[in-house]
Amino acid sequence: DGGITQSPKYLFRKEGQNVTLSCEQNLNHDAMYWYRQDPGQGLRLIYYSQIVNDFQKGDIAEGYSVSREKKESFPLTVTSAQKNPTAFYLCASTPTGWEEKLFFGSGTQLSVL
Amino acid sequence: GNSVTQMEGPVTLSEEAFLTINCTYTATGYPSLFWYVQYPGEGLQLLLKATKADDKGSNKGFEATYRKETTSFHLEKGSVQVSDSAVYFCALRASYDKVIFGPGTSLSVIP
Repeated sequence: DGGITQSPKYLFRKEGQNVTLSCEQNLNHDAMYWYRQDPGQGLRLIYYSQIVNDFQKGDIAEGYSVSREKKESFPLTVTSAQKNPTAFYLCASTPTGWEEKLFFGSGTQLSVL
Repeated sequence: GNSVTQMEGPVTLSEEAFLTINCTYTATGYPSLFWYVQYPGEGLQLLLKATKADDKGSNKGFEATYRKETTSFHLEKGSVQVSDSAVYFCALRASYDKVIFGPGTSLSVIP
């Protein structure tokens, strides 16, 4: 079955540590996105990518980095520069086209130890 | 710029009550409009969508009509169930890259 997979489901970060969240899709979608969701809040866009080896900053990119070396994969690194990383992180993918929906992964809950 | 405004909850209803969640948007051009639903601890999933003016999206008893004259896409359901308890997000897509989400509306349905 095609889908989008995020791992791990729960992740803990120590002070000064970088952590990487995985996002893989087998839907052959060109576009991939990372969103951050805080409790009781909406979704805020961190980074997005339309094609391999290219990505753009979203609204809250500071303290985060991404790569897009393969079409299927779009990992997100939360760096030590992100001082408030505790949140629920959602990855999504979509075909190009204004009528197309986003397909979401099941999310990763990141907490600070 | 493009934006989505929706009523903020939480909304609490009794089972079998009528549901309306208001959503209005600001966009240039002719966006596609979506309602997504999120159950606790999960990602979002598409509930319904409409891609042009006067289109009605429907799914699982939920409906929303794309009203260009009022720039609205209100979500309705005639009789809610406990299993409808979730967070609902209105969203628009007006370009090939970004999707704009509203802040979400939390719905609790009590027996």
